[in-house]
Amino acid sequence: TQLLEQSPQFLSIQEGENLTVYCNSSSVFSSLQWYRQEPGEGPVLLVTVVTGGEVKKLKRLTFQFGDARKDSSLHITAAQPGDTGLYLCAGAQGGSQGNLIFGKGTKLSVKP
Amino acid sequence: KAGVTQTPRYLIKTRGQQVTLSCSPISGHRSVSWYQQTPGQGLQFLFEYFSETQRNKGNFPGRFSGRQFSNSRSEMNVSTLELGDSALYLCASSPMGQGSSYEQYFGPGTRLTVT
Repeated sequence: TQLLEQSPQFLSIQEGENLTVYCNSSSVFSSLQWYRQEPGEGPVLLVTVVTGGEVKKLKRLTFQFGDARKDSSLHITAAQPGDTGLYLCAGAQGGSQGNLIFGKGTKLSVKP
Repeated sequence: KAGVTQTPRYLIKTRGQQVTLSCSPISGHRSVSWYQQTPGQGLQFLFEYFSETQRNKGNFPGRFSGRQFSNSRSEMNVSTLELGDSALYLCASSPMGQGSSYEQYFGPGTRLTVT
């Protein structure tokens, strides 16, 4: 069974701080996605990374896919209260379309 | 374009009963996947349907079943409900076109409580 381990599980920071969330696996994924989920809602796709070593930026969020396509990180610069939520990484296995393996998530709380 | 819709949003059932949840995907999306989300286990894949055929199945008992209709709408059914089935059930659709990277667009979920 392929697993995606996310760390930390919980993160509580002050507005303006920087943070990094990690997503690690012993398996290779064809692509990796990051989602954010708010209470009572479904996850919302933030980004997809496909190529080993790829870096994508979305405003203050920077996503990186490991060279070996086994791990990924999400870095948030100058966090804001609106960044609060559950951040989930999900890996896709080539050929298993529609079957994403999700990490358990990092619950981020940004206090004003 | 309207997003993924799920009905009902909330449901309370008793142990032993059965339940049917409904999902309407984004227009044009042919793949529909179902996930169960619980605080302890996180998001777990139930099954995926594409063009009315179940294409992938997760590690859940046979009490969990689903189907997809010709208009891509999908339903999932849970029979003989157990307390442990209490969870948020999420439906996600995907265009699954050539070159797609399995991106999923989620609905708001159905919160099922089994008492």
